[in-house]
Amino acid sequence: EVQLVESGGGLVKPGGSLRLSCAASGFTFSSYSMNWVRQAPGKGLEWVSSISSSSSYIYYADSVKGRFTISRDNAKNSLYLQMNSLRAEDTAVYYCARGGRIGSYLDWFDPWGQGTLVTVSS
Amino acid sequence: SYELTQPPSVSVSPGQTARITCSGDALPKQYAYWYQQKPGQAPVLVIYKDSERPSGIPERFSGSSSGTTVTLTISGVQAEDEADYYCQSADSSGTLGVFGTGTKVTVL
Repeated sequence: EVQLVESGGGLVKPGGSLRLSCAASGFTFSSYSMNWVRQAPGKGLEWVSSISSSSSYIYYADSVKGRFTISRDNAKNSLYLQMNSLRAEDTAVYYCARGGRIGSYLDWFDPWGQGTLVTVSS
Repeated sequence: SYELTQPPSVSVSPGQTARITCSGDALPKQYAYWYQQKPGQAPVLVIYKDSERPSGIPERFSGSSSGTTVTLTISGVQAEDEADYYCQSADSSGTLGVFGTGTKVTVL
């Protein structure tokens, strides 16, 4: 069974940093692109970042560019999101999601993890 | 920045047909995907590549594309289909992901 489990969320002060992790199992992690998507409380989905299977291609939403860094460790079947200079507007549930097809990127997202909540507040 | 526009809400009676549109300038060039999200749950893919249905998704879910608009159709709506629905695609360069504004489907 394909499974994605996020961790690392929590309460952080504005200007602080947090590192999210996503542990993958049940599929060949190194063959798929991976993605982070967030959802602020009561709001819609927002694409955050995508990384290709070999980390050759990395893309960010304008809202996080220069502050967030996506990375992956294919040996550990893990995806990461380093979040720096956090703002109140970064408060959201952060989901990791697998890319749709082997070798592609920025296509569909399936499946998704259950998400981890990040709260930025003083 | 690139945007995908959806109607905020759609209301439909059980057994009727719900249609949700998603408009964006790059849709003639980029595929669209649709997700269903129920309260407190992660999104679930219901349509990929404009009109393909993943395994396990009921046949009443279908997708279509015409110019700058894609449409998710739910035929014979059931109470369990009440949820938020989001379209997703990429900008014309294929380097920026984007989600639609979301549509709440209410089953009367």
